[in-house]
Amino acid sequence: DADVTQTPRNRITKTGKRIMLECSQTKGHDRMYWYRQDPGLGLRLIYYSFDVKDINKGEISDGYSVSRQAQAKFSLSLESAIPNQTALYFCATSDLGRGHDTGELFFGEGSRLTVL
Amino acid sequence: KNQVEQSPQSLIILEGKNCTLQCNYTVSPFSNLRWYKQDTGRGPVSLTIMTFSENTKSNGRYTATLDADTKQSSLHITASQLSDSASYICVALREGTYKYIFGTGTRLKVLA
Repeated sequence: DADVTQTPRNRITKTGKRIMLECSQTKGHDRMYWYRQDPGLGLRLIYYSFDVKDINKGEISDGYSVSRQAQAKFSLSLESAIPNQTALYFCATSDLGRGHDTGELFFGEGSRLTVL
Repeated sequence: KNQVEQSPQSLIILEGKNCTLQCNYTVSPFSNLRWYKQDTGRGPVSLTIMTFSENTKSNGRYTATLDADTKQSSLHITASQLSDSASYICVALREGTYKYIFGTGTRLKVLA
């Protein structure tokens, strides 16, 4: 089983619909991240969380919200999807903040979202 | 401005040939730099980490270098295989922060 699991892997939706992307991890890491990947732009940070009570906006948080339900679960929501949110979304965890950490990011397999 | 720039954007080589990917970074304070491999439709996976004090590190056919003076890193792939076809992403970590700075990646295609 994957250490970082994202659901759904693929989703097609219509403009205005609410969408939730879910992420769960078995790494035991406190730090979790949501990134968006677009062709030619690289990975951009949407939100990050250092623990259940600590959630922070990234560089492109407008139009998105998150929920950290537990140490292992971090969900991303699009309250009213629009076509320019069509992208590949990645959840990641990091071992930062623990002993002997190296800051490696562990990514899920990605959720491809298409907004029509 | 903290940023990571990669070159080339894309590269096509024949199976068995070597290639070198470049990464220039202006990240301060600098902690470390990682190279990730991202297969199509998959999440990135770390290949190697380079810290300030390391010049060269190998992981099988992958060899990474780091020049802290010029703020440049390279990833050399030896005897390329079809399975090396992927995007390679350079990621720098700022010391003492959560902040990862991503390059836009080099898309490598290895042809038979």
